[in-house]
Amino acid sequence: DVKVTQSSRYLVKRTGEKVFLECVQDMDHENMFWYRQDPGLGLRLIYFSYDVKMKEKGDIPEGYSVSREKKERFSLILESASTNQTSMYLCASSLGSEQFFGPGTRLTVL
Amino acid sequence: AQKITQTQPGMFVQEKEAVTLDCTYDTSDPSYGLFWYKQPSSGEMIFLIYQGSYDQQNATEGRYSLNFQKARKSANLVISASQLGDSAMYFCAMREGLYNNNDMRFGAGTRLTVKP
Repeated sequence: DVKVTQSSRYLVKRTGEKVFLECVQDMDHENMFWYRQDPGLGLRLIYFSYDVKMKEKGDIPEGYSVSREKKERFSLILESASTNQTSMYLCASSLGSEQFFGPGTRLTVL
Repeated sequence: AQKITQTQPGMFVQEKEAVTLDCTYDTSDPSYGLFWYKQPSSGEMIFLIYQGSYDQQNATEGRYSLNFQKARKSANLVISASQLGDSAMYFCAMREGLYNNNDMRFGAGTRLTVKP
């Protein structure tokens, strides 16, 4: 079974803090993705990576950066968290057609 | 521009009846894949069904089938014999191009509620 894990299910941070969201997959997948999910907007792609040290911007990269130093790990970084980044963050990985998702991190920025 | 449109924010269906969740998409790429995911209240995304743009037959997976109408650019999900456990958010998604490392775009979702 493919397993995608995310470091926290719930996270509360203050405005201006630097926030790291970690995602790890155990199936040697090349492709990894970060989405945010907001009511009425579905999932929106923030960044994705198709190889170690490679990254591509998605639809809403502003305010975020990513890091992929190892194949199994894809980190999402909020350099200076803001209240409008309060959301559910979903990580996914894929090798073939299907994307496998982690359980999500619900981030609240106060 | 919105690439995936799900026009039904919410749907109700009686248990044991069939229900159709609508999805239309927009692409100029002749190669693409269409996906449906289910998200229960627990939050995990569960892959349901996949349809490739060159597939001649409509995809089916158990009680799920995809009504693929290429000319109309629609990929509706049909759930037969609804069960209470089918109550969830449902997302339609599309990946353009031939390569599996291309990114995927999701619709806004439809919340399905199955009534006993």
